[in-house]
Amino acid sequence: GEDVEQSLFLSVREGDSSVINCTYTDSSSTYLYWYKQEPGAGLQLLTYIFSNMDMKQDQRLTVLLNKKDKHLSLRIADTQTGDSAIYFCAEEGERGSTLGRLYFGRGTQLTVWP
Amino acid sequence: DAGVIQSPRHEVTEMGQEVTLRCKPISGHNSLFWYRQTMMRGLELLIYFNNNVPIDDSGMPEDRFSAKMPNASFSTLKIQPSEPRDSAVYFCASSRVDRSSTGANVLTFGAGSRLTVL
Repeated sequence: GEDVEQSLFLSVREGDSSVINCTYTDSSSTYLYWYKQEPGAGLQLLTYIFSNMDMKQDQRLTVLLNKKDKHLSLRIADTQTGDSAIYFCAEEGERGSTLGRLYFGRGTQLTVWP
Repeated sequence: DAGVIQSPRHEVTEMGQEVTLRCKPISGHNSLFWYRQTMMRGLELLIYFNNNVPIDDSGMPEDRFSAKMPNASFSTLKIQPSEPRDSAVYFCASSRVDRSSTGANVLTFGAGSRLTVL
């Protein structure tokens, strides 16, 4: 099956940029997703990118996609303490056969120090 | 919409007892997913349904686990008998997706049910 890999931990100082990296295996993925999980809560969609795009920017968030290397990254500019959470990368299987199943990584725990 | 609603939010039970977790997906969503989250194994997909039909239950740990979706607005995940290693947070998520749909598949997660088996 699909395999999504992320580093488990990232610590940054408040005001710095955070970059969370992810690698995936399914070259047929049409969408790739970033979800955020705050303590005691479920996952929430942060952003997503369509596979024919290289970059997507949304306010402080920048998603970069290198389809050749199957590498996805999430950059958070001006990181705040409120950004401390677990960030999950996910790829979607071929929709016709998997009907919307997402394959999630283990999640990266981002800690922001004041 | 109230979002995906799960109950109970917390359950503490003794080994051997039956546990039933419940989920109400978002109205109009046709896919429903059950996940389990632990520190050791991360987020695991247990089973998912599309139009109330189970599509893939290969993630269900063993016969002690069963899931049903009798209608589009309700699903249950049952563990019988429960064991301490079943202690985890169980999430339900729903989305609207079809084989021919082309937009992003946005999953909406519930707040989770935290299960502790003593």
